Amino acid sequence: GESVGLHLPTLSVQEGDNSIINCAYSNSASDYFIWYKQESGKGPQFIIDIRSNMDKRQGQRVTVLLNKTVKHLSLQIAATQPGDSAVYFCAENINQKVTFGTGTKLQVIP
Amino acid sequence: GAGVSQSPSNKVTEKGKDVELRCDPISGHTALYWYRQSLGQGLEFLIYFQGNSAPDKSGLPSDRFSAERTGGSVSTLTIQRTQQEDSAVYLCASSLGQGGTEAFFGQGTRLTVV
Repeated sequence: GESVGLHLPTLSVQEGDNSIINCAYSNSASDYFIWYKQESGKGPQFIIDIRSNMDKRQGQRVTVLLNKTVKHLSLQIAATQPGDSAVYFCAENINQKVTFGTGTKLQVIP
Repeated sequence: GAGVSQSPSNKVTEKGKDVELRCDPISGHTALYWYRQSLGQGLEFLIYFQGNSAPDKSGLPSDRFSAERTGGSVSTLTIQRTQQEDSAVYLCASSLGQGGTEAFFGQGTRLTVV
């Protein structure tokens, strides 16, 4: 979810359970929303995106849901694995500029 | 190269010295971003270049920070009179800009000011 400043909130999930990472946005003019995954010591990597005219998009083990009414975006990871442990950032593309949220740290408990 | 390249990967500098960080974006990408990330923290936006437009410098924390993008390709982030609080990982990303949603990140430059 949202955080004050840049301190990362942490979500702890048991291995095998589903994870839901939430993100709120404020600009209704966003064209696309994107999720990134950042593993320790690496730069963020693209996971999945969704156009603003869609409300759901599925990838491999991941689903992104967009609720424009409440300006809420979520990333669902099915059957969470230890390799999913990372920081997840949502981002929005407004007029070709990508703006990142502050991120959520996902901790998978074996 | 195939991806965004940043150099150096690590930089240790003395307080008060100037440093230059370099970013080589993916060829053809018109948009380029600089972010700063402190240990265990989120991404702090610094500056955004899009084609020939004036850069969005709204994230630069002080006038000690500046960035250039020459010829619409390589970018240099300069930090003058470095302070200990400047210690962080500096990440560069590029994207296609028009029509492109995905920003590709480099591995970052870890700056340590001692």
